[in-house]
Amino acid sequence: NAGVTQTPKFRILKIGQSMTLQCTQDMNHNYMYWYRQDPGMGLKLIYYSVGAGITDKGEVPNGYNVSRSTTEDFPLRLELAAPSQTSVYFCASSRPGTGPEKLFFGSGTQLSVL
Amino acid sequence: TQLLEQSPQFLSIQEGENLTVYCNSSSVFSSLQWYRQEPGEGPVLLVTVVTGGEVKKLKRLTFQFGDARKDSSLHITAAQTGDTGLYLCAGVYYNQGGKLIFGQGTELSVKP
Repeated sequence: NAGVTQTPKFRILKIGQSMTLQCTQDMNHNYMYWYRQDPGMGLKLIYYSVGAGITDKGEVPNGYNVSRSTTEDFPLRLELAAPSQTSVYFCASSRPGTGPEKLFFGSGTQLSVL
Repeated sequence: TQLLEQSPQFLSIQEGENLTVYCNSSSVFSSLQWYRQEPGEGPVLLVTVVTGGEVKKLKRLTFQFGDARKDSSLHITAAQTGDTGLYLCAGVYYNQGGKLIFGQGTELSVKP
């Protein structure tokens, strides 16, 4: 059972470079999320999507872009990497229902911008 | 922006001890979740509490939702080294469109 798969696991970028963090899920979940996790700060929501073709900003969207062309994939794009974007990034998915959502997380991408 | 605070931020105990982690907010939650995260992995959901005063047990872990639905606690009885990890609470507020807001986490280290 793959669940939520993120690639790459680790990446080092130079200031100003761009990259795409990949996320795919095989659970047919409509909702997908991108979070960043910094030490002592918990998880902050960057962007989320409630279905293919629909995306919306979270708490900390500046410097990032997303797209959702399929149910399975939700890539996160960094256009001009900055040191402040050094963090661990988590993708998550959930299936909306009648009760509270249960998020399934990937194993994360550790990104350093130097 | 509602602030969801966890305490303590760090906790180091010996195997066999009991501990309690707290999650507090000034606003009312519609529901609250507890996650556990191991190094190099994403968070994994432990429990969801919905009703004020609700108590749920998961083996040696006891989760309580405050009567006023503004706070929650996680109590671990007779901690084991396998309980080591980052514990995160996450709340859904009525006016946040159903999105989870995470606390900053409690880093638990259980020493043999």
